[in-house]
Amino acid sequence: QKEVEQNSGPLSVPEGAIASLNCTYSDRVSQSFFWYRQYSGKSPELIMSIYSNGDKEDGRFTAQLNKASQYVSLLIRDSQPSDSATYLCAVRHDYKLSFGAGTTVTVRA
Amino acid sequence: ETGVTQSPTHLIKTRGQQVTLRCSSQSGHNTVSWYQQALGQGPQFIFQYYREEENGRGNFPPRFSGLQFPNYSSELNVNALELDDSALYLCASSSTGGSSRYGYTFGSGTRLTVV
Repeated sequence: QKEVEQNSGPLSVPEGAIASLNCTYSDRVSQSFFWYRQYSGKSPELIMSIYSNGDKEDGRFTAQLNKASQYVSLLIRDSQPSDSATYLCAVRHDYKLSFGAGTTVTVRA
Repeated sequence: ETGVTQSPTHLIKTRGQQVTLRCSSQSGHNTVSWYQQALGQGPQFIFQYYREEENGRGNFPPRFSGLQFPNYSSELNVNALELDDSALYLCASSSTGGSSRYGYTFGSGTRLTVV
């Protein structure tokens, strides 16, 4: 079983719609959870972090964490063409980040 | 405040050769981590250095080695390059040894191609 798994893509959404990304993790003692955005040919950029169960909102992004279900999600509201990228879920335990393979999102104008 | 800088940006090497990648950590950061990202995959943890000592290592063979210098900059060395070593190599720095809960900010990466 992979440490971090993300829903397979690619995900195509129309402009203005909500993009929903899901992630599950296997290590119950994981401490912190992150979403990175990666444009093609670029390095990952940290866009959201969440540490406690529940929702965390930042602009058009909402991260949700459910530690009992070992589940993290990211919602992108009012999707824009500039949101087209690969989104990586990452889970931290001590010094190490474990990443999922990523979900590629395409926002159609 | 300067961010994490990596050099070179691109590199082409021949199988069997050795390569050194460099990373300058963000000002005030004493911990550097290295990750390998193969095409179509998420980054994989290689190792972390804290105060010039390796304090964590992922599932990579010994031909992957590193150094951290007194100014907290770091090098990643890979010996006996293999075709599968072709990847984007990412460096991240942070201000604590490893117990922080926070995410890492990555440098722009070095794209290594082994032919």
